[in-house]
Amino acid sequence: AQTVTQSQPEMSVQEAETVTLSCTYDTSENNYYLFWYKQPPSRQMILVIRQEAYKQQNATENRFSVNFQKAAKSFSLKISDSQLGDTAMYFCALVGANSKLTFGKGITLSVRP
Amino acid sequence: NAGVMQNPRHLVRRRGQEARLRCSPMKGHSHVYWYRQLPEEGLKFMVYLQKENIIDESGMPKERFSAEFPKEGPSILRIQQVVRGDSAAYFCASSPRDQTIGELFFGEGSRLTVL
Repeated sequence: AQTVTQSQPEMSVQEAETVTLSCTYDTSENNYYLFWYKQPPSRQMILVIRQEAYKQQNATENRFSVNFQKAAKSFSLKISDSQLGDTAMYFCALVGANSKLTFGKGITLSVRP
Repeated sequence: NAGVMQNPRHLVRRRGQEARLRCSPMKGHSHVYWYRQLPEEGLKFMVYLQKENIIDESGMPKERFSAEFPKEGPSILRIQQVVRGDSAAYFCASSPRDQTIGELFFGEGSRLTVL
């Protein structure tokens, strides 16, 4: 079985500052993918960033980057230069060979003007 | 290229009625996944289908729930004799191939409310 844990229910950050969202996971597989999804008030799930477990280099997408610590099974998301439009729920997710995407419970991020 | 289309966006049913949720995957995508999101929770896997085949239904409740993805037409998630606990957002996602390789593209979800 695989699990994804997001222990922080909510966070708040000032506009233009940097915030880090934490995620830990557990899986017995060697090959897997990790994702961060954003769910704004519209409720659509939007892929923010993806990390292949076999890649040591941390993924980066513009203002979004991850800190992937495979041995520690940690996968945190860093948002730089936070914008008001970043306000949303953020879900960490994992998929392995069973093709089932397992989500954490999510964290509510509020960006303050 | 249209995204994953789900309808209805909102559905209200009384206890005991049937709910049918439809999902049209992105063009060229042959893999469909259904997820359920309860309030304040993450998405929970329900079922994984390819055209005319159910690949993995380990997340589906044993009774009242069924899913199909016919050769022609959208994927359907069917809930018979709905109960209040079925109230949730149901998300469909599609991918062009096995999810372990590619990413999922999600629809906007269908919100079911059972009175």
